[in-house]
Amino acid sequence: GAVVSQHPSWVICKSGTSVKIECRSLDFQATTMFWYRQFPKQSLMLMATSNEGSKATYEQGVEKDKFLINHASLTLSTLTVTSAHPEDSSFYICSAPRDISNQPQHFGDGTRLSIL
Amino acid sequence: DQQVKQNSPSLSVQEGRISILNCDYTNSMFDYFLWYKKYPAEGPTFLISISSIKDKNEDGRFTVFLNKSAKHLSLHIVPSQPGDSAVYFCAASYQGGSEKLVFGKGTKLTVNP
Repeated sequence: GAVVSQHPSWVICKSGTSVKIECRSLDFQATTMFWYRQFPKQSLMLMATSNEGSKATYEQGVEKDKFLINHASLTLSTLTVTSAHPEDSSFYICSAPRDISNQPQHFGDGTRLSIL
Repeated sequence: DQQVKQNSPSLSVQEGRISILNCDYTNSMFDYFLWYKKYPAEGPTFLISISSIKDKNEDGRFTVFLNKSAKHLSLHIVPSQPGDSAVYFCAASYQGGSEKLVFGKGTKLTVNP
């Protein structure tokens, strides 16, 4: 069964709206979670690292004021796309590693965000 | 600077034959490598991984080979099945996979019946 749950799976909203995406680890605690973005027919690009109890770490070129990340608990990280515009339309995916070496990261099912 | 490269955007094989997907990396600090299978509009599904201390890992029909000197890894699927048709991503990480993953661009595998 799924070990990482992501919600919602699909969002369509108007330009200027803020959208919150949730990522939950289901049967383990994740002090770190990762947020990726995938454009059509391209690779997954890391946006930011979500850290429980501290600020998120953003990759170069990612606007931290646009993409707000909150690691509210050891099982929940949220990504809020603020004042979304059509260019923010994309597929957003989270992953959570277990705090055990040489264990694969599992991914959520992703969120397709469409901004009209 | 692309640290993980999958140079074949697509691969087509016949059902029952072997599929070989290749991946090259440039950063010698990577110590954990993974293969994921992905369908459109879904999250990646973990297939198999390998630590840098090994050169082979096998799980059923899937085998991953790692050649550290060449900074190359490959995924072998034998026998290939139509249900294997998907995009396959190679990924690399540090510290045994607990750090962020760096992905290749993916290879679209089509297995023809």
